[in-house]
Amino acid sequence: QVQLVESGGGVVQPGGSLRLSCAASGFTFSSYGMHWVRQAPGKGLEWVAFIRYDGSNKYYADSVKGRFTISRDNSKNTLYLQMNSLRAEDTAVYYCAKDNPVAGGHYMDVWGKGTTVTVSS
Amino acid sequence: DIQMTQSPSTLSASVGDRVTITCRASQSISSWLAWYQQKPGKAPKLLIYKASSLESGVPSRFSGSGSGTEFTLTISSLQPDDFATYYCQQYNSFWTFGQGTKVEIK
Repeated sequence: QVQLVESGGGVVQPGGSLRLSCAASGFTFSSYGMHWVRQAPGKGLEWVAFIRYDGSNKYYADSVKGRFTISRDNSKNTLYLQMNSLRAEDTAVYYCAKDNPVAGGHYMDVWGKGTTVTVSS
Repeated sequence: DIQMTQSPSTLSASVGDRVTITCRASQSISSWLAWYQQKPGKAPKLLIYKASSLESGVPSRFSGSGSGTEFTLTISSLQPDDFATYYCQQYNSFWTFGQGTKVEIK
């Protein structure tokens, strides 16, 4: 079955860096775009970044543009999120999600369980 | 940026009730809308895509409708497993979620 497993979360000081990973299985990873979505404690969902199936295009939320980088290694079926210059407001559970391109629209059909990032001194 | 506004923020209901959640977009998004269910400590789960298409495996008591700027999620007969938070999401231009609607036990 389709499975996404995030890892790499932890506690980091403000200004620090962290790299998240998302291991995919059960589907042809190289054929699908992928998202990162986050959820701050007690808050709603916020889309963070998207990468096309071949890595040719990447899109970011304004709140992370210039600080976060999404990438993928299709040979390893793995998605990444490099997070630099971290701020307290980046504290959240980070989910990776598989994109489903149906008739021109792109929604998220499968989600991982998430990994927690805490930015604190 | 497209803003998504859900109402109500909290909804108290009983098992067997018909429940309706509304989602409004700040501009037309055609039918590029999805609905997700999230339970505490769990990842979101896709229920509906393209405004009214039921995801495989989702019970038929869930239905979605609308187009343009106004959308609804309806649960025809609320079951104990349905107490959760529901989010709408537009995917017409990038991706934006509504603030969520918590469905709690009355």
